Amino acid sequence: SQKIEQNSEALNIQEGKTATLTCNYTNYSPAYLQWYRQDPGRGPVFLLLIRENEKEKRKERLKVTFDTTLKQSLFHITASQPADSATYLCALDTGGFKTIFGAGTRLFVKA
Amino acid sequence: GAVVSQHPSWVICKSGTSVKIECRSLDFQATTMFWYRQFPKQSLMLMATSNEGSKATYEQGVEKDKFLINHASLTLSTLTVTSAHPEDSSFYICSATSGQVNPGANVLTFGAGSRLTVL
Repeated sequence: SQKIEQNSEALNIQEGKTATLTCNYTNYSPAYLQWYRQDPGRGPVFLLLIRENEKEKRKERLKVTFDTTLKQSLFHITASQPADSATYLCALDTGGFKTIFGAGTRLFVKA
Repeated sequence: GAVVSQHPSWVICKSGTSVKIECRSLDFQATTMFWYRQFPKQSLMLMATSNEGSKATYEQGVEKDKFLINHASLTLSTLTVTSAHPEDSSFYICSATSGQVNPGANVLTFGAGSRLTVL
């Protein structure tokens, strides 16, 4: 079955730097891949979606890449701010309108 | 934008009682809603897919008699945890897809979640 691997260790970076988070999946390449943000005690919030025929997608300070050969997506936050501190979840469509999530990577941005 | 309201945000109950959690899509019709469960520092685990007017589809290992799901209208789905026990304590989150963003993709709008503590 499809599995999603995200770095379970927290990522600590300095304000203004670029944060890069990794999402790896194990089996077939999905038609699209999504990234969500989750704050403590809250539900996830959709950030970006990238389709299998897209190499890169941008939205303001966010950038997502999708490499179906490596079975990997990278999520970048440029000019990071303390307000960007949260857990970021990678999500895949498994077909049949079902979405599975990775465990997320916790990001801490220090002022 | 699409908004999903979930209520209550937290609930404490005694062992053996039942608890109902409501999930409402406020500004769109959701023919399908999803219920997830999340343990601390773990991934969201899909429990069931709730379809309006029909029985929910449960994931393997999820007890349908323990977690009753009702999707009575296009804007409301409920999850009832029956005869709750301490091991049912968790963070429950509902979600829905409005189909408005990224057509053909299942982009989810989540509720704020419900923290259940069973004593």
